[in-house]
Amino acid sequence: SQTIHQWPATLVQPVGSPLSLECTVEGTSNPNLYWYRQAAGRGLQLLFYSVGIGQISSEVPQNLSASRPQDRQFILSSKKLLLSDSGFYLCAWTRTGGMGTQYFGPGTRLLVL
Amino acid sequence: DQQVKQNSPSLSVQEGRISILNCDYTNSMFDYFLWYKKYPAEGPTFLISISSIKDKNEDGRFTVFLNKSAKHLSLHIVPSQPGDSAVYFCAAIFYGQNFVFGPGTRLSVLP
Repeated sequence: SQTIHQWPATLVQPVGSPLSLECTVEGTSNPNLYWYRQAAGRGLQLLFYSVGIGQISSEVPQNLSASRPQDRQFILSSKKLLLSDSGFYLCAWTRTGGMGTQYFGPGTRLLVL
Repeated sequence: DQQVKQNSPSLSVQEGRISILNCDYTNSMFDYFLWYKKYPAEGPTFLISISSIKDKNEDGRFTVFLNKSAKHLSLHIVPSQPGDSAVYFCAAIFYGQNFVFGPGTRLSVLP
């Protein structure tokens, strides 16, 4: 069966510090991978998606970047965090081709102070 | 421009009654629709889906209805249970990999 991991679960970082959130998927090959952010009281905002190693598409201009160094690893990064980067970050995957259900990880709660 | 809308941010329903959550979309290219349920501090979990070639899909207490001409879908939960209290997201897909989520509706099922 497939599983998706995210870490850390919670992170408190000062403004201006770097960020690295990791997401890995097990039990499948060549998944489509996604990073979402849920800001307090708001819906899910798609940040990045990837259809393969090294292939990243960005949905919105922002202070964040994403990388996919391996088939089942997706990393969300920032060089300098802003207060507005606080939120709940979710990684998700779908099967190759993308049609069908999107499975989400447990999420990372980021608080920037 | 919000392509998937959930115009009710919150909904309260008595236990045992029907919960109806609504979703409207604007992009006629969407060809697959899903509902997700999300508890606080957890990732969303898939609930039920429907293809654009159908108008109804049922799974236990959950039924999704799709009205393509009105660009409207709804999720019915019957009977509602306190454990159903969560945020429900409507999502739509086009071209197989472009997911668009609505802003969510918070459902509270009162005992």
